Amino acid sequence: DAKTTQPPSMDCAEGRAANLPCNHSTISGNEYVYWYRQIHSQGPQYIIHGLKNNETNEMASLIITEDRKSSTLILPHATLRDTAVYYCIVRPTYINTGTASKLTFGTGTRLQVTL
Amino acid sequence: DAGVIQSPRHEVTEMGQEVTLRCKPISGHDYLFWYRQTMMRGLELLIYFNNNVPIDDSGMPEDRFSAKMPNASFSTLKIQPSEPRDSAVYFCASSAQPGLPDTTNEKLFFGSGTQLSVL
Repeated sequence: DAKTTQPPSMDCAEGRAANLPCNHSTISGNEYVYWYRQIHSQGPQYIIHGLKNNETNEMASLIITEDRKSSTLILPHATLRDTAVYYCIVRPTYINTGTASKLTFGTGTRLQVTL
Repeated sequence: DAGVIQSPRHEVTEMGQEVTLRCKPISGHDYLFWYRQTMMRGLELLIYFNNNVPIDDSGMPEDRFSAKMPNASFSTLKIQPSEPRDSAVYFCASSAQPGLPDTTNEKLFFGSGTQLSVL
């Protein structure tokens, strides 16, 4: 799986947009970008995923650059409950490998949302 | 569905004792994963199953660790004998076999974890 690079920590004021960057310069054509987060004392939680188009769901938006070498997770209106460690992961998909591939977590970005 | 259920939530044991962690995946899910999380090493994949069959156990640290999945609704991770360095949070996760219409969505659902302390 391609390696990802994320800043170790970020701060964001409540109500503002939180933009979390991720570098995945060695991503290959059959790999998707996934984002998970882990709130303290809980298991990781899926947020969003994408290939090359921008994606949006009820939790966040994912912006992937045209060359796919980096992406940004956007939490449009961060709240205190969004304080967590955010993981950016790239992995090949089932349709290409014929089996679910393992999810390898890096160190992530610790997002602190403050009043 | 109640989600992925793990038990016990906390386990404290003495070095040398056998420890068994339990996991009930989400009904209908075909894949089950065991992860371990420590401050030093972060989240590590230990082993995963597909349709109750172990697919990749390369992350299992040593022979003291074993995992089984006797049926689609139950899995165990056993440590025998346990050592202080096994102290960690152990997570179980499950996912569905990707299928139409979205063959790309293989999101994992995690349980709340078991906090293991080996004294």
